[in-house]
Amino acid sequence: RKEVEQDPGPFNVPEGATVAFNCTYSNSASQSFFWYRQDCRKEPKLLMSVYSSGNEDGRFTAQLNRASQYISLLIRDSKLSDSATYLCVVNALVPGGGADGLTFGKGTHLIIQP
Amino acid sequence: DAGITQSPRHKVTETGTPVTLRCHQTENHRYMYWYRQDPGHGLRLIHYSYGVKDTDKGEVSDGYSVSRSKTEDFLLTLESATSSQTSVYFCAISEDRDLNEQYFGPGTRLTVT
Repeated sequence: RKEVEQDPGPFNVPEGATVAFNCTYSNSASQSFFWYRQDCRKEPKLLMSVYSSGNEDGRFTAQLNRASQYISLLIRDSKLSDSATYLCVVNALVPGGGADGLTFGKGTHLIIQP
Repeated sequence: DAGITQSPRHKVTETGTPVTLRCHQTENHRYMYWYRQDPGHGLRLIHYSYGVKDTDKGEVSDGYSVSRSKTEDFLLTLESATSSQTSVYFCAISEDRDLNEQYFGPGTRLTVT
């Protein structure tokens, strides 16, 4: 069974601090990777795709380690508005077609404290 | 934000009644998905569509059916709702199967009493 594992938290972090969390995935055939953000009672929103070389978007940095099958997200200079649940998501193409490849982690709950 | 709407946004229904949820997109994306989200679980795929009249089952398809007669609309039907189908239902769209970045609608909160 395909699985994505995340520490559910909560991570309680003071405003301005740096926070990092990881997720691990079990399906070695996974081909694309994402971090989504979900606010309470809202839909998941794509935060960033994760590339093999790692990528940065403002205060957010994502890294992928294929050998160890884990993905990380680093948030620098955290803001109160960063409080949310962060979902780790991986995609593995299904041989023969179909587009059902996304597997979602259960999320890591982040609370930024003033 | 991607142009995805879901209707209704909230619904309370009784056990045994049929329910249809609608997802509408204005992005002309080929792929559409229905997920449910429950406490203690990640999002779980119910059904998906890879084109008009082309659909397939996901991980938790029992008790659900779907239809896609137009690119922009993807309907999810609970033929006879049960209390275990109380959940939040999200629709998602994707343009590219290989990368599969998915964009979600606002969700439908369904309660089956």
